[in-house]
Amino acid sequence: KQEVTQIPAALSVPEGENLVLNCSFTDSAIYNLQWFRQDPGKGLTSLLLIQSSQREQTSGRLNASLDKSSGRSTLYIAASQPGDSATYLCAVQGGSEKLVFGKGTKLTVNP
Amino acid sequence: SQTIHQWPATLVQPVGSPLSLECTVEGTSNPNLYWYRQAAGRGLQLLFYSVGIGQISSEVPQNLSASRPQDRQFILSSKKLLLSDSGFYLCAWRQPTGAQYFGPGTRLLVL
Repeated sequence: KQEVTQIPAALSVPEGENLVLNCSFTDSAIYNLQWFRQDPGKGLTSLLLIQSSQREQTSGRLNASLDKSSGRSTLYIAASQPGDSATYLCAVQGGSEKLVFGKGTKLTVNP
Repeated sequence: SQTIHQWPATLVQPVGSPLSLECTVEGTSNPNLYWYRQAAGRGLQLLFYSVGIGQISSEVPQNLSASRPQDRQFILSSKKLLLSDSGFYLCAWRQPTGAQYFGPGTRLLVL
């Protein structure tokens, strides 16, 4: 059974800092990994999708990496801004339609 | 571009009452559609998914059911709500790349 863990559960940083969010999964047989952000009371916004054959994806100040063999992914946020404050969720898709989610990292960027 | 709608946004229902949540997708045809629930303190849980009209797969046996009467419409229902059905219900659709995109969600409170 696939399990996804995100560490830390919460993170508070000053504006401008570069930061890394971690995601680990127990079964390396995945098709893809997706990072989302969720603002309070809102739906999920897709940030980056990494296919199992890829090592990383970049979008603006965001960079996500995938090491499938070790069951790890990181989301790097450069030059953080208060608007980046949200909960960040990692999800993996294995051999079924099911996305398995971590419980998220709640990020607070202080001005 | 594709858009996903959910309604209602918020719902307060008494225990034992029926439920109907609706999700529609615009700008794509024959999408895979998903219902997730996000309960307080827990991760997102896949409830149902559908790969076509009338085709429903259930991930978790429970008090809920789903239907797909039209290509871009996905409905989540219950005949009698339980207190434990309270949560944030999210509908999503999947691109051929595997990326899932989520609607704004419906917050359900069962009293």
